[in-house]
Amino acid sequence: KAGVTQTPRYLIKTRGQQVTLSCSPISGHRSVSWYQQTPGQGLQFLFEYFSETQRNKGNFPGRFSGRQFSNSRSEMNVSTLELGDSALYLCASSVDRDSYNEQFFGPGTRLTVL
Amino acid sequence: DAKTTQPNSMESNEEEPVHLPCNHSTISGTDYIHWYRQLPSQGPEYVIHGLTSNVNNRMASLAIAEDRKSSTLILHRATLRDAAVYYCIPLHGSSNTGKLIFGQGTTLQVKP
Repeated sequence: KAGVTQTPRYLIKTRGQQVTLSCSPISGHRSVSWYQQTPGQGLQFLFEYFSETQRNKGNFPGRFSGRQFSNSRSEMNVSTLELGDSALYLCASSVDRDSYNEQFFGPGTRLTVL
Repeated sequence: DAKTTQPNSMESNEEEPVHLPCNHSTISGTDYIHWYRQLPSQGPEYVIHGLTSNVNNRMASLAIAEDRKSSTLILHRATLRDAAVYYCIPLHGSSNTGKLIFGQGTTLQVKP
C-alpha cells in the first residue's frame, strides 16, 4: 500500500505570494491532518479534515486554510506569505478519528519564503 | 491538553536497551499515551500506544506507571537507525480530532 504523498517536495516563494500544497492520504484513510515544523516552534498542528469537513483547527492566522476532497485528498493554502512561514509542512492521514488510530506522515513539503 | 515532560537528549550504545521516560502528570483517565519518533529528514512515525497496561510491538515496549502519570518507551536493542527525536503524546480517548500535540521530545543519539 502506498504511503502518504505530498507535492511538491520543495518550494520557493517570495513574500506576499500565495502557495498551495497537496497531500494524498493512504488509500482508505479518511482523516487528514496538517502540521507545520520550524526549528523555533517545533511541530505544530494546523488543522484536521475528516470526510471533507474541517473538524479541528490550530492556533494559526486565517492566511492558513485547507480543504479536503471527496477522495480524501487534501490541500492547504497559505496566502500573503511571510518570511516566518518558511517551514516544513507535514501531512498525516489516519483511518478515522479515533484516538487509537495511528497517524501516518508524509515526507513533507519544504517551503522557503524569500 | 495534558502536558508532558521529557529529557532533551539521551545517549545509548548500539545493541543496548534504551529507556526513554515521559512524565504526563496531568493526563486524564481516558487519554491514550502515544509515542512517535522522527528520524532525520523524515516525517514522524508512529511507534506504540497504550492506555493502562504495558504494551509490546515489533518496534518497542511501552511501560505505563500504575498511576498513569508517567510512562517509559523501551527499545530493547538500539540500532543506529533508532537515532531520532522521540515524542510522548497523550491523546484524549473520546474526542480526538486528529490533533497531535508535539512537545520538544527527546533526541536519542545511538553510538556504534
